[in-house]
Amino acid sequence: KAGVTQTPRYLIKTRGQQVTLSCSPISGHRSVSWYQQTPGQGLQFLFEYFSETQRNKGNFPGRFSGRQFSNSRSEMNVSTLELGDSALYLCASSLETTQNIQYFGAGTRLSVL
Amino acid sequence: AQSVAQPEDQVNVAEGNPLTVKCTYSVSGNPYLFWYVQYPNRGLQFLLKYITGDNLVKGSYGFEAEFNKSQTSFHLKKPSALVSDSALYFCAVRDRGSSASKIIFGSGTRLSIRP
Repeated sequence: KAGVTQTPRYLIKTRGQQVTLSCSPISGHRSVSWYQQTPGQGLQFLFEYFSETQRNKGNFPGRFSGRQFSNSRSEMNVSTLELGDSALYLCASSLETTQNIQYFGAGTRLSVL
Repeated sequence: AQSVAQPEDQVNVAEGNPLTVKCTYSVSGNPYLFWYVQYPNRGLQFLLKYITGDNLVKGSYGFEAEFNKSQTSFHLKKPSALVSDSALYFCAVRDRGSSASKIIFGSGTRLSIRP
């Protein structure tokens, strides 16, 4: 089975721009979660989608949004980029129940200049 | 509210010695507990989880963790460390009471094994 695929792996943007990151989950997984990882803040939960519905949301401003498609693929969008948005963005997929393991992609490293 | 604490930013151990990476948690109900490992430039990989039953959970690469309900801890252990165990380790908790509960990760502990 193919793992979780995140594209692109690296992105360089300037302040004020917007960016869209993509995540393809493991086949059969209907839950997709997004995390922001920075050296200072650790791993911060952004949101979780299940069957195209946002099931949970972290404490991030409205500039951060996401969606999930009918094939379980997910995208997250960050508008009006700020320098502090520079981070590794990780996507994870899992089966439906809360006890299930999350499988992580390699991440998208976003640099905002 | 749920929370996870990993009190040590870094743990240094000599190869062949036992290692412990500490984790304590706070959750209103009963928890699901997880350990993940992250190698450089990679996403997180699952190591082990506690759902129910035996308090000692065995996982990948010879790691194990002990669930202690009274101390609300889930420390990660290995009897004999390898240099290849050097990585960033994350503890995570999820409240099993609700499908809407979030998974919360600790801040991570960097494990460094010296030859």
